[in-house]
Amino acid sequence: EDQVTQSPEALRLQEGESSSLNCSYTVSGLRGLFWYRQDPGKGPEFLFTLYSAGEEKEKERLKATLTKKESFLHITAPKPEDSATYLCAVQATGYNQGGKLIFGQGTELSVKP
Amino acid sequence: AAGVIQSPRHLIKEKRETATLKCYPIPRHDTVYWYQQGPGQDPQFLISFYEKMQSDKGSIPDRFSAQQFSDYHSELNMSSLELGDSALYFCASSRGTGGNQAFFGQGTRLTVV
Repeated sequence: EDQVTQSPEALRLQEGESSSLNCSYTVSGLRGLFWYRQDPGKGPEFLFTLYSAGEEKEKERLKATLTKKESFLHITAPKPEDSATYLCAVQATGYNQGGKLIFGQGTELSVKP
Repeated sequence: AAGVIQSPRHLIKEKRETATLKCYPIPRHDTVYWYQQGPGQDPQFLISFYEKMQSDKGSIPDRFSAQQFSDYHSELNMSSLELGDSALYFCASSRGTGGNQAFFGQGTRLTVV
């Protein structure tokens, strides 16, 4: 069964304190791995798509990496406005998958000034 | 840039009533997904449509139905509402289903009383 597990569930950082969020996945065949940011009561906001092991993507203070079993979202020198829940999701290959995303439980990040 | 539009943003219904949620995808996006997100939970896939045909089906109750129309907008119809149906309902759209990123709307918050 396709599955996504994120850790930690919650992370509290001081402003400027770099850290990483983990996303472990089990999927029959990976079509893509997606990172989203979600603010309370809002829709998930797309951040990155990774397709193959070794791939890296960067955007401002965020950098996403991918291996065959997990992905990391590195946050460098975070600011309070980076506080949000970060969701990892996978899209599997295979007939009739329809492109649905299988989400992890998310990591709730809090950055204090 | 145009985003995914959902309406209404908030909806309050009584038990056993019917609700209809609407989703207008990003222009030129041919695929629509529906997700349900309970409090503190990750989004759960309900159903998806590609080129007006159902492409995948997840944990959608039999009381719910959905369709995609000729202009690519989609509607989620929910009947015999239960208290447990209270949640955020998100629509997402993408161009095709083959690993392209899905962009989410701001969601409809359904409260069943």
